Amino acid sequence: DQQVKQNSPSLSVQEGRISILNCDYTNSMFDYFLWYKKYPAEGPTFLISISSIKDKNEDGRFTVFLNKSAKHLSLHIVPSQPGDSAVYFCAASSSNFGNEKLTFGTGTRLTIIP
Amino acid sequence: DAGVIQSPRHEVTEMGQEVTLRCKPISGHNSLFWYRQTMMRGLELLIYFNNNVPIDDSGMPEDRFSAKMPNASFSTLKIQPSEPRDSAVYFCASSSPSTGWSTEAFFGQGTRLTVV
Repeated sequence: DQQVKQNSPSLSVQEGRISILNCDYTNSMFDYFLWYKKYPAEGPTFLISISSIKDKNEDGRFTVFLNKSAKHLSLHIVPSQPGDSAVYFCAASSSNFGNEKLTFGTGTRLTIIP
Repeated sequence: DAGVIQSPRHEVTEMGQEVTLRCKPISGHNSLFWYRQTMMRGLELLIYFNNNVPIDDSGMPEDRFSAKMPNASFSTLKIQPSEPRDSAVYFCASSSPSTGWSTEAFFGQGTRLTVV
């Protein structure tokens, strides 16, 4: 039972354009969401997060949007750069389960075309 | 700090052999996680420890898998006997307590396990 879903295994975007990565979740107890970025042969690294009391969080070129009613979040990268090519994982946690337990999606491979 | 350190980086073993993966978390972090990455299931949480105590091992696939954390600076994940379907990348991660919402976990570089 995949509680965090990333339905697009891959995405290609032209350099300079906007990249939008999507994530859906099924567990209404989740109240904190994170995005991780992973390069080949490296471990995932934290990118940006959002709590359920907000609907938007921005950090430079990266913005995460949360739609609680739809149980959907998205990561926007603008403008996209070649160094953004990586696998992006969406993750969720619940203060009811212990904040530290993260449930991950299957990842989306983003390729930025120069 | 050097970050989360995992060893070995690569392991190739024959089916039926015992495999031990090792992890040194970031100093001061009190939570440690073992994840397995596969194409089909992404990053699956196998087990996590808090203050060296196993809190949730519901992700451990079978009795062939076991994990220990004898002290705050070391953990092992053991597979005995190993099978080809155990082939995957295994990540260790650690995190520190937060005062508010969840904190992010810091990952090691992973161990790529191949069972032939």
